[in-house]
Amino acid sequence: NAGVTQTPKFRILKIGQSMTLQCTQDMNHNYMYWYRQDPGMGLKLIYYSVGAGITDKGEVPNGYNVSRSTTEDFPLRLELAAPSQTSVYFCASSVPGTGSEKLFFGSGTQLSVL
Amino acid sequence: AQSVTQLGSHVSVSEGALVLLRCNYSSSVPPYLFWYVQYPNQGLQLLLKYTTGATLVKGINGFEAEFKKSETSFHLTKPSAHMSDAAEYFCAVSGGYQKVTFGIGTKLQVIP
Repeated sequence: NAGVTQTPKFRILKIGQSMTLQCTQDMNHNYMYWYRQDPGMGLKLIYYSVGAGITDKGEVPNGYNVSRSTTEDFPLRLELAAPSQTSVYFCASSVPGTGSEKLFFGSGTQLSVL
Repeated sequence: AQSVTQLGSHVSVSEGALVLLRCNYSSSVPPYLFWYVQYPNQGLQLLLKYTTGATLVKGINGFEAEFKKSETSFHLTKPSAHMSDAAEYFCAVSGGYQKVTFGIGTKLQVIP
């Protein structure tokens, strides 16, 4: 089982460049999420989606955009990269429910903006 | 609003010793509580979770946690640490829907 797959694993961007972090899951999960992880800060929710065509902001959405055209894919777009976006990004998915459901995580994308 | 406080960003224990990782939460509704583990260069994996019912929850790899409502705590324990337990551990709370709030994480070092 592939689970949640993220690409690329590593990327270095220059300030002002743009890029898309890819995330796909093969578990037919309706709910998908993007988190960023910074040292000593834990994980912060950037955006989430409860199904194709539906997205919503999380705790730290500024500087990011998302789309959800299919159940499987949930790409995260950085339009004008800034050093503050240097982080490790995790995509996750879950089944719908009351909030007690397990999150399935990808292995992460380490992004540096220089 | 909900929040999680993990006491101690780094914990060191000797191999074979008790592991105790502390977590306190705040939630305006009855919470769902989780512990996730992250091994180097990997995503997070669920160790255990509390939803309702029995307050002592058993998870994978010999870990367990006890939900104490009066203390708003959900501490993670393991009787005997193994070298393979070295990882970062995250406590998390969900007050409903899918907005899970994570703590800052505790890095566990196991000394041989």
